[in-house]
Amino acid sequence: AQKITQTQPGMFVQEKEAVTLDCTYDTSDQSYGLFWYKQPSSGEMIFLIYQGSYDEQNATEGRYSLNFQKARKSANLVISASQLGDSAMYFCAMREVGTGGFKTIFGAGTRLFVKA
Amino acid sequence: NAGVTQTPKFQVLKTGQSMTLQCAQDMNHEYMSWYRQDPGMGLRLIHYSVGAGITDQGEVPNGYNVSRSTTEDFPLRLLSAAPSQTSVYFCASRQTSGGGTGELFFGEGSRLTVL
Repeated sequence: AQKITQTQPGMFVQEKEAVTLDCTYDTSDQSYGLFWYKQPSSGEMIFLIYQGSYDEQNATEGRYSLNFQKARKSANLVISASQLGDSAMYFCAMREVGTGGFKTIFGAGTRLFVKA
Repeated sequence: NAGVTQTPKFQVLKTGQSMTLQCAQDMNHEYMSWYRQDPGMGLRLIHYSVGAGITDQGEVPNGYNVSRSTTEDFPLRLLSAAPSQTSVYFCASRQTSGGGTGELFFGEGSRLTVL
């Protein structure tokens, strides 16, 4: 069964520094997608970045990059040059593509606090 | 672009009452789903649908009912509300064909309190 684990309930980072949010996953499927979403205090869910299991390069989107280590089943989000607006809840998610690819499951989330 | 629209945004119910959370999307997405968000538990999948007339259970389906009569609409019904159903509910949809990442597009959420 698919499972996402985010072990950091809360993280602090100084403004302008980089921060890594951890995510490990469990799946028996060979084909899957990994996602990160941001939820600011206003409550909406914002898609940040995607990594496919067969992608050889780590995904990058602006200041966001996904450190994908397939053998370790980890998909950590790296935010470079943190900004105050990055303070939010961050969710890692996965969708198994090979088994029909219908369900996307989420981790418990990590709340990031950016300090001025 | 409206995207995914959920109503109501806030609702207070008494134990045993029933209600329906509405969800509509205008992106012609075949896949639609409902999640509930509780502190420390992330988003948990309640029910999902891969097209009109097709629904299936997610991780926490008990106490909830869904139907999908059109591509656009995917209502979530609480038949007899319980305090344990106090939560924030999100409807989400995504594209299922034509490539792309398949990321979910979310509604703004509906905060439900059951007294």
